[in-house]
Amino acid sequence: TQLLEQSPQFLSIQEGENLTVYCNSSSVFSSLQWYRQEPGEGPVLLVTVVTGGEVKKLKRLTFQFGDARKDSSLHITAAQTGDTGLYLCAGAPGGSYIPTFGRGTSLIVHP
Amino acid sequence: DVKVTQSSRYLVKRTGEKVFLECVQDMDHENMFWYRQDPGLGLRLIYFSYDVKMKEKGDIPEGYSVSREKKERFSLILESASTNQTSMYLCASSPSTSGGVADTQYFGPGTRLTVL
Repeated sequence: TQLLEQSPQFLSIQEGENLTVYCNSSSVFSSLQWYRQEPGEGPVLLVTVVTGGEVKKLKRLTFQFGDARKDSSLHITAAQTGDTGLYLCAGAPGGSYIPTFGRGTSLIVHP
Repeated sequence: DVKVTQSSRYLVKRTGEKVFLECVQDMDHENMFWYRQDPGLGLRLIYFSYDVKMKEKGDIPEGYSVSREKKERFSLILESASTNQTSMYLCASSPSTSGGVADTQYFGPGTRLTVL
């Protein structure tokens, strides 16, 4: 059983479109993180959300942590080809410092 | 900038060979991790270490062992490589825990291992 469920698994869109990816769990997390992994590289942290209901923005990327701290979403406005990559959510359940990762959403943005 | 380096980007080995994957970090981080990444399965934790000579099993330790003799270096060992260990192997490091909030993990570029 996957602790963190990500959806959709794959997303193929045109440049300029908006998109949202989701990370859901039945467990409560003290924090959730989003990483992006480009082809041939390791994941790189985009953001950590800590407070329920928190919204963080990183240029065209908006991250939200659910009020109950069980889910998170990533919204990209006006996607660009440089947004192509694998988006992973990660969280450390039960106060552990060892994060568990979702299976990822593979995003391809076509020019 | 934190830098995590892995000894090889690509490696091809034969079934039954002993394989060493090396990882070095330069930020004096206490924690180091080894993951494998397979399509559709995401990142799965093999082993982690929170201090020199300390190690803990992750979710899929079978067929692997690790060594951490120095703080900056964490090695993954495949005692007898098998074809089902063909995968992308990612090493990561993080600073010591900070009150229940997952620390940022810094990843290396990965080693793509093929076992024939």
